[in-house]
Amino acid sequence: AQSVTQPDIHITVSEGASLELRCNYSYGATPYLFWYVQSPGQGLQLLLKYFSGDTLVQGIKGFEAEFKRSQSSFNLRKPSVHWSDAAEYFCAVSGYGGSQGNLIFGKGTKLSVKP
Amino acid sequence: EAGVVQSPRYKIIEKKQPVAFWCNPISGHNTLYWYLQNLGQGPELLIRYENEEAVDDSQLPKDRFSAERLKGVDSTLKIQPAELGDSAVYLCASSRGLSNTEAFFGQGTRLTVV
Repeated sequence: AQSVTQPDIHITVSEGASLELRCNYSYGATPYLFWYVQSPGQGLQLLLKYFSGDTLVQGIKGFEAEFKRSQSSFNLRKPSVHWSDAAEYFCAVSGYGGSQGNLIFGKGTKLSVKP
Repeated sequence: EAGVVQSPRYKIIEKKQPVAFWCNPISGHNTLYWYLQNLGQGPELLIRYENEEAVDDSQLPKDRFSAERLKGVDSTLKIQPAELGDSAVYLCASSRGLSNTEAFFGQGTRLTVV
């Protein structure tokens, strides 16, 4: 069965520092992978997605993610974190073909940003 | 363009009472999803609609949960009777179609059962 693991429940970084959030997936076929961000009291916003092609994917708000099939990973990165990036981040895999709405989510990583 | 609208935003009810959540998807979006998000967890799909047809409701606890999407637009998710363990955020999302179209999420309804 498909599953997504986010090993880090909570990460704190200093403003301006680089960020990497880890995501590992379990999927039998070619995965369709996503990163979402959820600010307090808000819905989920799509940051980026990977379907095929270039394994380094650029997203909104300066985020990028790299798909590594050999490691079953899809880690999210940002070179310089801003205080407004504090939120919860969810990695997800499509549970049905290429459906972008039928998603299996990880448990999330909460990001705190120190001034 | 308005996003996915959910109401109410917050709901507090006593256990054993019924409760309903409403979702208005983005105009033109044929696919609608209901997700359940427990505290400290990622969302879990409850049901997916293609127009007015529920095409995937395998994760919906049918003994107490029900959903409908009359006319293929708005949708209602109901719990009757509610239990303490139903306290969670209920998210609605919509997309234009099944494949290759981004799903947009509403802000959710936070349910507290006391």
